[in-house]
Amino acid sequence: DTGVSQDPRHKITKRGQNVTFRCDPISEHNRLYWYRQTLGQGPEFLTYFQNEAQLEKSRLLSDRFSAERPKGSFSTLEIQRTEQGDSAMYLCASSPKAPDRGQSYNEQFFGPGTRLTVL
Amino acid sequence: AQKITQTQPGMFVQEKEAVTLDCTYDTSDPSYGLFWYKQPSSGEMIFLIYQGSYDQQNATEGRYSLNFQKARKSANLVISASQLGDSAMYFCAMSRQFFGNEKLTFGTGTRLTIIP
Repeated sequence: DTGVSQDPRHKITKRGQNVTFRCDPISEHNRLYWYRQTLGQGPEFLTYFQNEAQLEKSRLLSDRFSAERPKGSFSTLEIQRTEQGDSAMYLCASSPKAPDRGQSYNEQFFGPGTRLTVL
Repeated sequence: AQKITQTQPGMFVQEKEAVTLDCTYDTSDPSYGLFWYKQPSSGEMIFLIYQGSYDQQNATEGRYSLNFQKARKSANLVISASQLGDSAMYFCAMSRQFFGNEKLTFGTGTRLTIIP
């Protein structure tokens, strides 16, 4: 399978616990995005990596959130001291450095998401 | 800042009929891209169609077409000959177009239900 993969698919945790999610982008995609989607809403941008460099973080990403992309391959998103408001679907997407031949846009390929429930 | 507005929370359409999903946008960027994604109940986001702000013609992809009216800042999705498998959430999104950080700004979505 050459698509974007995310692990775990579901996570239930108690308030105050730390959780970590993993995203494996499509091979050779140098751009990686994290989004959060709460119930009844569209996804919201959290952070962006180009290779291993984290180039933008949304103000939605509080100090309890940290994301890494060591070696520019897979990425992790950690939430410390989880709160009930963190319950959401966390989506990862990757895109290539340049559009595919014949395209004028850079398509983002999304993973299946990690659904987090904080009790 | 970019903003996407989808005013139809839900729609019910008879199978084989055409359906139009509304999307309006707001941005100060001179160059931008507009996207439509489909999200089935399984949760994955499926890319459907793209329109660039400087594209002269409306985009088409199979049964999907994008009715782009730049002056009105609208980018409606038209699905022709709807099928039961089209039942899903549909999101309109936009991004800046400079091949750097092309983060997507999404609307709140429209839940489409196809009736047999």
